[in-house]
Amino acid sequence: NAGVMQNPRHLVRRRGQEARLRCSPMKGHSHVYWYRQLPEEGLKFMVYLQKENIIDESGMPKERFSAEFPKEGPSILRIQQVVRGDSAAYFCASSPPAGTPPDTQYFGPGTRLTVL
Amino acid sequence: AQTVTQSQPEMSVQEAETVTLSCTYDTSENNYYLFWYKQPPSRQMILVIRQEAYKQQNATENRFSVNFQKAAKSFSLKISDSQLGDTAMYFCAFMKQGGGSNYKLTFGKGTLLTVNP
Repeated sequence: NAGVMQNPRHLVRRRGQEARLRCSPMKGHSHVYWYRQLPEEGLKFMVYLQKENIIDESGMPKERFSAEFPKEGPSILRIQQVVRGDSAAYFCASSPPAGTPPDTQYFGPGTRLTVL
Repeated sequence: AQTVTQSQPEMSVQEAETVTLSCTYDTSENNYYLFWYKQPPSRQMILVIRQEAYKQQNATENRFSVNFQKAAKSFSLKISDSQLGDTAMYFCAFMKQGGGSNYKLTFGKGTLLTVNP
């Protein structure tokens, strides 16, 4: 059973460009979470999605950041007009569907975004 | 809002010895989960152990065990017979129990553990 997949593992963008980070949850998981880890910090929650629904986006910056989890395909975290402060590691996690308490999240390897 | 505090930024231990990492948290919730995650140099986040707050028995997973003190809001991790592969950043995390948006994890800042040969 493949784990949570994230790509790319490393992404370099210049200021003003767009960054698209992809996450494929574990097989059978329908809950996806995105977290951001700044240098020397713990992970901070950004957004929680189920298929075609955003459940909680309380950790997302109000501008430039968006996330989706379409019916088909991976979850996408999109950052428009990146700035140097967006440089961080972005982790995706997934957990089982409703009916099985989604109390344990399994993490992908992360995408390290560097903004030049 | 919940907060998680790890008061030890760095710790070291000799191989084969035992080490305890501290974690305290603040919440008004009665039902919740607590976790320890490990982040080795590869930066992959790996689940080490989890504890349900309603369970009085401390969780154990092989060489890893916790000391869960609900009244004190303390959740320490004990690593026995430390191995070089245990060298990593360790994060304590909290999750409310329940539906809706309660599934987000709140992490502490981490403790960097170095196991010396």
